[in-house]
Amino acid sequence: DQQVKQNSPSLSVQEGRISILNCDYTNSMFDYFLWYKKYPAEGPTFLISISSIKDKNEDGRFTVFLNKSAKHLSLHIVPSQPGDSAVYFCAATYNNNDMRFGAGTRLTVKP
Amino acid sequence: SQTIHQWPATLVQPVGSPLSLECTVEGTSNPNLYWYRQAAGRGLQLLFYSVGIGQISSEVPQNLSASRPQDRQFILSSKKLLLSDSGFYLCASLGVGRGLNYGYTFGSGTRLTVV
Repeated sequence: DQQVKQNSPSLSVQEGRISILNCDYTNSMFDYFLWYKKYPAEGPTFLISISSIKDKNEDGRFTVFLNKSAKHLSLHIVPSQPGDSAVYFCAATYNNNDMRFGAGTRLTVKP
Repeated sequence: SQTIHQWPATLVQPVGSPLSLECTVEGTSNPNLYWYRQAAGRGLQLLFYSVGIGQISSEVPQNLSASRPQDRQFILSSKKLLLSDSGFYLCASLGVGRGLNYGYTFGSGTRLTVV
């Protein structure tokens, strides 16, 4: 049961432009959402999160938007840099023991 | 800050052989610990989680098992590996007092290939 979905397996953007990664979820019980970044042969690293009581959280070049009515969240990276090239995982949870991950989106930022 | 040590980094095992992957955590006490698997082209699948010594919860029935013999040690095992067990195995931790606004801390993973 895929409760967290990332429908775009890959995304390519030009350096300096905006990258928008999307994520949809089906479980209305989720109350915390996170984005992780993963390089090949490494574990994911936490990037940014948002509570369900908020609709936006910003941290430097990274902003996460949450639309609860649509069960949709997105990660915006502005401006995109070549070092941002990685696989980005969306995750959601309603307790610490049940974090569900999407399949990931591979972002490529071209110089 | 928390650090997770996982080994080995890569492993090639024949079908039917046993498996033991170890994960140790530094920098926190009484963490929640997790084993995830990433199959090729798939997302991260939660396999097991533990909230304390000897306490294991299984998310997916399979020929894998987990044990937590010490507070900061989490072991993933199998008596007989299957081809379908191939994947990238990740250990993760959520430390006491760390809210989800910090996310899980992941280890560097073990690439298991069953041949």
